[in-house]
Amino acid sequence: QQQVKQSPQSLIVQKGGISIINCAYENTAFDYFPWYQQFPGKGPALLIAIRPDVSEKKEGRFTISFNKSAKQFSLHIMDSQPGDSATYFCAASTGNTGKLIFGQGTTLQVKP
Amino acid sequence: NAGVTQTPKFRILKIGQSMTLQCTQDMNHNYMYWYRQDPGMGLKLIYYSVGAGITDKGEVPNGYNVSRSTTEDFPLRLELAAPSQTSVYFCASSYGAPNTGELFFGEGSRLTVL
Repeated sequence: QQQVKQSPQSLIVQKGGISIINCAYENTAFDYFPWYQQFPGKGPALLIAIRPDVSEKKEGRFTISFNKSAKQFSLHIMDSQPGDSATYFCAASTGNTGKLIFGQGTTLQVKP
Repeated sequence: NAGVTQTPKFRILKIGQSMTLQCTQDMNHNYMYWYRQDPGMGLKLIYYSVGAGITDKGEVPNGYNVSRSTTEDFPLRLELAAPSQTSVYFCASSYGAPNTGELFFGEGSRLTVL
């Protein structure tokens, strides 16, 4: 059972464009929704996160949009740069154990 | 701080062999986790620990064992390795509430079972 579904699997964007990655979840008990960024040969690193009491969170060029009623959330990368080329994972968790359920991942390529 | 350190980085095992993946963290984090990453599948939680002496199963625990005798170390034991255990394994740690979901990952251990 895939509790967090992520799309698209891969994405190619031109430099300066907007990258959008979407996730949908099933468990309404989830109360923390992070996005992780992973470069080749490295472990994932926290990029930005949101809790369900807000509909949007912005940090620099990265924005999470959250739709509680649709059980969906998305990552928007504005003014995408070649250095943003990486794999992005959405995730969700509930409670205080930090047990993250990850989406399948999206490989982003930003072309110069 | 070194953060989360995993060893070995690469290992090839034969079917039926056993091994231990080592993980240590120097951030005094209470929570530690083992994930496996397979292409197109994201990361799956194998085991986790909320403190020394306390461990619990994640989504995919079969074929693995863990122990947590100290705050710093969280080794993952593979018994009777199978080709299905070919994967990249990530150890992670977290301080705990209120930032429990902020995990710090190691660089991974790539395991091939032939």
